[in-house]
Amino acid sequence: RKEVEQDPGPFNVPEGATVAFNCTYSNSASQSFFWYRQDCRKEPKLLMSVYSSGNEDGRFTAQLNRASQYISLLIRDSKLSDSATYLCVVNIVGGYNKLIFGAGTRLAVHP
Amino acid sequence: EPEVTQTPSHQVTQMGQEVILRCVPISNHLYFYWYRQILGQKVEFLVSFYNNEISEKSEIFDDQFSVERPDGSNFTLKIRSTKLEDSAMYFCASLGQGDHEQYFGPGTRLTVT
Repeated sequence: RKEVEQDPGPFNVPEGATVAFNCTYSNSASQSFFWYRQDCRKEPKLLMSVYSSGNEDGRFTAQLNRASQYISLLIRDSKLSDSATYLCVVNIVGGYNKLIFGAGTRLAVHP
Repeated sequence: EPEVTQTPSHQVTQMGQEVILRCVPISNHLYFYWYRQILGQKVEFLVSFYNNEISEKSEIFDDQFSVERPDGSNFTLKIRSTKLEDSAMYFCASLGQGDHEQYFGPGTRLTVT
């Protein structure tokens, strides 16, 4: 079983749509959870951390369910500039903060 | 805003040659990392470095790889004898004490021919 699994997509949505990405992780010792965004041939950039209580940053909402080992990201009112690959990322207790990446879900927002 | 820098942006080398990829982490950060991403695949952890020594390494990081922080600012990844399958983007990242966000450099694209 992969450590972090994501639907690869692509998700093709019109501007203004709401889109949801899901992610599952296999290691119950996972400690911290993140969504990163990666544009084509660029470095990953932190979009948001994910907390058990859920957190929101503008149009982006992230949720964590530790019991199900499941993480989600909701993007409301999609913009053309949201087109990118969204990476689900975890790190493990005692792992010197090494990050374990999912393969990413590609989002394409069209006019 | 402070940033991680990497040089070169693109390196082409022949199989069997040695390459050194260079990174300048954010100046007050204490934890340093190398990741790689083969084209079309996920980002994979290679090695973490703390207190002037390797703290953890992956299975990928075999004897052909080494890391160094020679002068307190640069952080280098050396591949002794490159193989075709080493072709990838190599990202350096750094992390401050007590932080949770790793800052990534723009990457070096390594092409082994």
